[in-house]
Amino acid sequence: EAGVAQSPRYKIIEKRQSVAFWCNPISGHATLYWYQQILGQGPKLLIQFQNNGVVDDSQLPKDRFSAERLKGVDSTLKIQPAKLEDSAVYLCASRRGGSYEQYFGPGTRLTVT
Amino acid sequence: SQQGEEDPQALSIQEGENATMNCSYKTSINNLQWYRQNSGRGLVHLILIRSNEREKHSGRLRVTLDTSKKSSSLLITASRAADTASYFCATARVGSRLTFGEGTQLTVNP
Repeated sequence: EAGVAQSPRYKIIEKRQSVAFWCNPISGHATLYWYQQILGQGPKLLIQFQNNGVVDDSQLPKDRFSAERLKGVDSTLKIQPAKLEDSAVYLCASRRGGSYEQYFGPGTRLTVT
Repeated sequence: SQQGEEDPQALSIQEGENATMNCSYKTSINNLQWYRQNSGRGLVHLILIRSNEREKHSGRLRVTLDTSKKSSSLLITASRAADTASYFCATARVGSRLTFGEGTQLTVNP
């Protein structure tokens, strides 16, 4: 089966600019996650979707970050405006019902200058 | 803050040796998972152990869980250069949310 797809793979922007990341989960996986991974640290959950509903967004900085999963499949994560501390790898993961294992995409490496 | 803490932060061994990494956590869990991350394959799930299990094996991997001490260990036997990666423990409470630790960087020298 095809894995989790993410784009772009790399993005460089200046602070205060906007950026959007796209994720296509594994077919049939109802649960989708966005994580932020700062260099040298473990991934931190930003938001979790179950189909097109938000399950957990308690760690999402809502003043600048937003995410949607309109049709319960693809998802986009947006940062507006970006700050220097947003430089990180943004990982998307998906999980099928009945399993705890999460499948991760390759990530988008964001550099904010 | 991160729930899991891995120890050591970095580990360097020779090919063929065993590698042991430890993870401690703070609150009760439903299960604990180990993931591997390298530049070639990204973050990949290795093994899951449930809170009512004490030991689990998968190929060259052996995971133990001690819920009384809130700790887990990952043993990789007969290591290979391809095992060079960062290893993360991730704890899951009810609802499947994963909380990752900071990771152990393993280097296996040929």
